[in-house]
Amino acid sequence: QQQVRQSSQSLTVWEGETAILNCSYENSAFDYFPWYQQFPGEGPALLIAIRSVSDKKEDGRFTIFFNKREKNLSLHIKDSQPGDSATYFCAASDTNAYKVIFGKGTHLHVLP
Amino acid sequence: NAGVIQTPRHKVTGKGQEATLWCEPISGHSAVFWYRQTIVQGLEFLTYFRNQAPIDDSGMPKERFSAQMPNQSHSTLKIQSTQPQDSAVYLCASSPRDREDTQYFGPGTRLLVL
Repeated sequence: QQQVRQSSQSLTVWEGETAILNCSYENSAFDYFPWYQQFPGEGPALLIAIRSVSDKKEDGRFTIFFNKREKNLSLHIKDSQPGDSATYFCAASDTNAYKVIFGKGTHLHVLP
Repeated sequence: NAGVIQTPRHKVTGKGQEATLWCEPISGHSAVFWYRQTIVQGLEFLTYFRNQAPIDDSGMPKERFSAQMPNQSHSTLKIQSTQPQDSAVYLCASSPRDREDTQYFGPGTRLLVL
């Protein structure tokens, strides 16, 4: 059973639109949710993260919205650019845990 | 400030041969992780070292895979008698002390077993 689930394998948006990537999780003990961005030929890179005490985390064009009751979260990429085309992984871990559980990833395509 | 370094970036082996993958974590980081990435399975945890000690190898296929961390500056993942199903990208990540949930990944080694 997948503990972290990303609802879309692939998402295509036009340049300038807001891309919304959705994620849900099973384990109520998870309290740290990083999002990683991966370009072809590279390893995943930490993009933005949120802890469960918050319901929103913003960093430039990237915002995480978190709903603890529903056990889901989303990554919003405002004003999407072709350079944002990449695979985005939602991940989760619980307090003091080293094991980060990754979703299968969403391939984002931003069309010019 | 170099990130995690992995060598080689690409490796092609014949079925039954041995493959050794190298990882140099970020200087000062205390934790090292190995993952395997495939299209079908995504990112799979393999093993984890803290301060060079093996902590969790629950993701490692028991028979042919082994990992070591002989010193704080490098770790190796060895696959004996490689099989075509071992073909994947093997990723190494490191974390700073007390923030092991924040992992910094290397570029990976793409292993192809023919």
